Amino acid sequence: LAKTTQPISMDSYEGQEVNITCSHNNIATNDYITWYQQFPSQGPRFIIQGYKTKVTNEVASLFIPADRKSSTLSLPRVSLSDTAVYYCLVGDTAVSSGSARQLTFGSGTQLTVLP
Amino acid sequence: GAGVSQSPSNKVTEKGKDVELRCDPISGHTALYWYRQRLGQGLEFLIYFQGNSAPDKSGLPSDRFSAERTGESVSTLTIQRTQQEDSAVYLCASSAVPGSLAKNIQYFGAGTRLSVL
Repeated sequence: LAKTTQPISMDSYEGQEVNITCSHNNIATNDYITWYQQFPSQGPRFIIQGYKTKVTNEVASLFIPADRKSSTLSLPRVSLSDTAVYYCLVGDTAVSSGSARQLTFGSGTQLTVLP
Repeated sequence: GAGVSQSPSNKVTEKGKDVELRCDPISGHTALYWYRQRLGQGLEFLIYFQGNSAPDKSGLPSDRFSAERTGESVSTLTIQRTQQEDSAVYLCASSAVPGSLAKNIQYFGAGTRLSVL
């Protein structure tokens, strides 16, 4: 089970780029890295997922170095509405029948975007 | 429905009573997860269902907690003899597991906020 470590909180200003790094030193070969965003009183929402190198979608980029022991979520030009808790989750997405994986989200990173 | 639905959205109960929380996953999703989230904390895994396989109950904190799932549809989480420390938001998620190399993205409901007085 890959344990993840993230900063507890980060502050940023509107329009800036924000990078949140997650450490996962004991990531397994089959593990993917997934990031979720959670607003108050809501369930987490998928942002982006990757295995190695760089992944980009319409809302974020995910940078994963060759050793895969960390990953960085990059949010370009944040706005006030990006204020939320961001979770890094590392686990095997190839969940096979009869073999379940205990998943630990950790405490996440509280991102506060200031005007 | 379009997403994962949980009911009730809020539940207030007295210490010692039993409660049942319901989760309706996205149609066609074979995997279903229950998590507990205490105020200001991360998500704590409770139980996982995958198709017709035996569920992974390794995250259940005590024998007062149990969960069932009918086929690949509705799941109920039951907490017996509730205690004040059970107060939390209980989140349900479902995901599709179409193949061994497919992404397993979890889609969450809004949760049930349980308050034990």
